[in-house]
Amino acid sequence: EVQLVESGGGLVQPGGSLRLSCAASGFTFSSYAMHWVRQAPGKGLEYVSAISSNGGSTYYANSVKGRFTISRDNSKNTLYLQMGSLRAEDMAVYYCARGQVGANFDYWGQGTLVTVSS
Amino acid sequence: QSALTQPASVSGSPGQSITISCTGTSSDVGGYNYVSWYQQHPGKAPKLMIYEVSNRPSGVSNRFSGSKSGNTASLTISGLQAEDEADYYCSSYTSSSTHVVFGGGTKLTVL
Repeated sequence: EVQLVESGGGLVQPGGSLRLSCAASGFTFSSYAMHWVRQAPGKGLEYVSAISSNGGSTYYANSVKGRFTISRDNSKNTLYLQMGSLRAEDMAVYYCARGQVGANFDYWGQGTLVTVSS
Repeated sequence: QSALTQPASVSGSPGQSITISCTGTSSDVGGYNYVSWYQQHPGKAPKLMIYEVSNRPSGVSNRFSGSKSGNTASLTISGLQAEDEADYYCSSYTSSSTHVVFGGGTKLTVL
């Protein structure tokens, strides 16, 4: 059974940093691109970042470019999102998702909440 | 990158059919057959319902179908059931640097 479990969310002050993790199981992690998608409270889905299966290519939304870094450790079956210079508008539930050809996401984690507040 | 355009809400009675539209541009919806649809119940993670315009993942009811014409994709749900009440999001591959864009979401109410 495919499982994606996010962790690392919490309360952080504006300007602070946080690292999210997504532990994957039930599939060959190193064969799939992985993605982060976020959802602000009461709002729609927003694409955040992607990383290729071997980690060689990364993509970012303009809203997070230069502040967030996506990475992966295929030996640990884990995806990461290092978030810096956090702003109030970054407050959201962050989901990791497995990517398929054609940029669709067939499995999602349960999400982890990031709250940015002083 | 601009979000794809979806109606904010649609509604229908049990047993009826509804269609949700998703309008983009030739750089996303119109340019590629890589439109996906997701269902999200309150407090839950999104669930893939349709991929590559009209394909259903294993386990998704055949009451859900997708299509595309030009820059507009559509999700049709036939034989509406109470459990279909949820938010629905479209997404598409895009030629922009992020490669993916979502629609703003549509709230489906089953009357």
